[in-house]
Parts: sequence; C-alpha cells; structure tokens
Amino acid sequence: GQQVMQIPQYQHVQEGEDFTTYCNSSTTLSNIQWYKQRPGGHPVFLIQLVKSGEVKKQKRLTFQFGEAKKNSSLHITATQTTDVGTYFCAGDDRGSTLGRLYFGRGTQLTVWP
Amino acid sequence: DGGITQSPKYLFRKEGQNVTLSCEQNLNHDAMYWYRQDPGQGLRLIYYSQIVNDFQKGDIAEGYSVSREKKESFPLTVTSAQKNPTAFYLCASRAPGTENEQFFGPGTRLTVL
Repeated sequence: GQQVMQIPQYQHVQEGEDFTTYCNSSTTLSNIQWYKQRPGGHPVFLIQLVKSGEVKKQKRLTFQFGEAKKNSSLHITATQTTDVGTYFCAGDDRGSTLGRLYFGRGTQLTVWP
Repeated sequence: DGGITQSPKYLFRKEGQNVTLSCEQNLNHDAMYWYRQDPGQGLRLIYYSQIVNDFQKGDIAEGYSVSREKKESFPLTVTSAQKNPTAFYLCASRAPGTENEQFFGPGTRLTVL
C-alpha cells in the first residue's frame, strides 16, 4: 500500500544553522502537505504543493515538490528557537478533498540557543 | 469561533473498560478523521468518515469503533480489545477547496491503568 517515508526522525541544530527534512512516497502523489506540531500541541497546516517541481517559500521556510511528484523537502534557513517542533509531510494520492492523507513519521527538530 | 473540540484533554481508564472520546466540529466539513500518536510513530490513521452514516477503516482500526450520525460529531470508542490503548488521540476534519488541509483538534491523552 501507499507509504510515505520521512527522514531524519530527529534533528538537533544550533540556532542559526539550517535544517532540512525529506519525504519520499512509494507512489506518485496528487499533492503533498506539510504540518508543524509544537511540543504539547496538535499539528497545524503549513502548506500544500501540487505541481511537479513546485517550490514555495514562507519567510525562512522553503518547500519543494519533486519533478516525479514522489518526493518533497522542507528547508529552514537560519533556525530559531521558535522553529522547535515536529514537522510532518502528508501525501495525497487521489486529490480528493474528502479522502485520507498518508503521513510521514515526522522529523522532530530541536534548536539549541 | 469555528474549530474542532475534543474532550476531555486527559482521560484515565481501568484496563478492560471501553471508553469513548468526543470530537465535535462546527466548520461544516464533511470529512473527519481519527489518528493515534505514539512517540516516534507519527500519526497513524484509525478511522475516517467522508460523509454522515459512512466511515472507513484506516491502518490501525482493530480494537476501535466509530459512528457518524451527525455531520458535526465523530466519536471514537476505544474497546477493551485494543491491546495498547494508552496514547494521544487526535481528531481532524478536512476542508474542501483549493488546499483542503486537515484541521486538528487539541487531542485527548488517554491513559489506561
């Protein structure tokens, strides 16, 4: 069945360093979404990528969707302590607004001041 | 305020007892989801419902049951057949439209003693 793999599972960085998390799907995706969960909180939607090769930016965050629509990455430039949390990718293989998403296991980011 | 509510935030039960977790949304979303989150396991889908009176099993449905009698409500029952019920349970609904992201409730942390 459909699987979304995400690496690394944990990442510890010094404040100001960059951070990247990667997702790979076993099948071609219709779109991919990214979520952030702060410690003790619930996942919150960050962005959706739909087009092959798409790149989107949100301030220091850069999201990419691979040409084959099977992989994606989230890159944070110059991390801050406010970036702490777990980042999840979630693949949608059918593009249905009512269907399920396939979540990666997440990357837990720790930022040392 | 529109959103998803889950109650209670913390729940304790004795082993062998069934327990029902509440999830209510006033976002007028058709699709609703239940996830289980364990440390290092990411979000695992238990059940989801795309419309009233209909629901589908997710990846880890054994030992759980749901109902969807109203659009606003999607309660989850953790039965005594669930081997390891202690976990953080998240309910979500999905928005139709351009980005159709999932909105998550604050979660219920269930501890079975």
